Amino acid sequence: SQQGEEDPQALSIQEGENATMNCSYKTSINNLQWYRQNSGRGLVHLILIRSNEREKHSGRLRVTLDTSKKSSSLLITASRAADTASYFCATDEGNNRLAFGKGNQVVVIP
Amino acid sequence: DGGITQSPKYLFRKEGQNVTLSCEQNLNHDAMYWYRQDPGQGLRLIYYSQIVNDFQKGDIAEGYSVSREKKESFPLTVTSAQKNPTAFYLCASSESGYQPQHFGDGTRLSIL
Repeated sequence: SQQGEEDPQALSIQEGENATMNCSYKTSINNLQWYRQNSGRGLVHLILIRSNEREKHSGRLRVTLDTSKKSSSLLITASRAADTASYFCATDEGNNRLAFGKGNQVVVIP
Repeated sequence: DGGITQSPKYLFRKEGQNVTLSCEQNLNHDAMYWYRQDPGQGLRLIYYSQIVNDFQKGDIAEGYSVSREKKESFPLTVTSAQKNPTAFYLCASSESGYQPQHFGDGTRLSIL
């Protein structure tokens, strides 16, 4: 079942601005992952945050996880045109599979 | 370079025809997955396999079949029973069920 739901669904920002997107889920998880998908391509893993972690950084990416609210956020700082893509969250519910959300389309305007 | 190769990139199916999508990985991953993606939608799991000679149905397995005879290969057959097969199909692999997944670049299937 698909439980990750990203919010907002579409985001348009100017180059250099920060982009924030949220993901909510319904059941308990072992970890939550964020992926990027460029148009017509496969998904690329960005970052994994475990259920006992609250924040994680990777380059210009910052992910937070609030298990009490069953939500996560992905922040992309100092956005670039190359960050234009769809971003998906995926939750590991401990059943050897991931549940992906519907995705969040981000357009960075040069 | 290690990775996942899906072929073909584009595929056309005639009414009543079965078609097979190829997925090969050289990452030595145990787990492999097939997803379907419709325009503007997320990924829906069709089938997955945790080990050779074993696989499980995902959320939308009807009209599809798979095999896992080799660790590197996980082909997906879209049968004539799948009435709405037009979609973007993605194959992925991971070291285990909770690890990050590596994706191929997809096969776009259309109906003639």
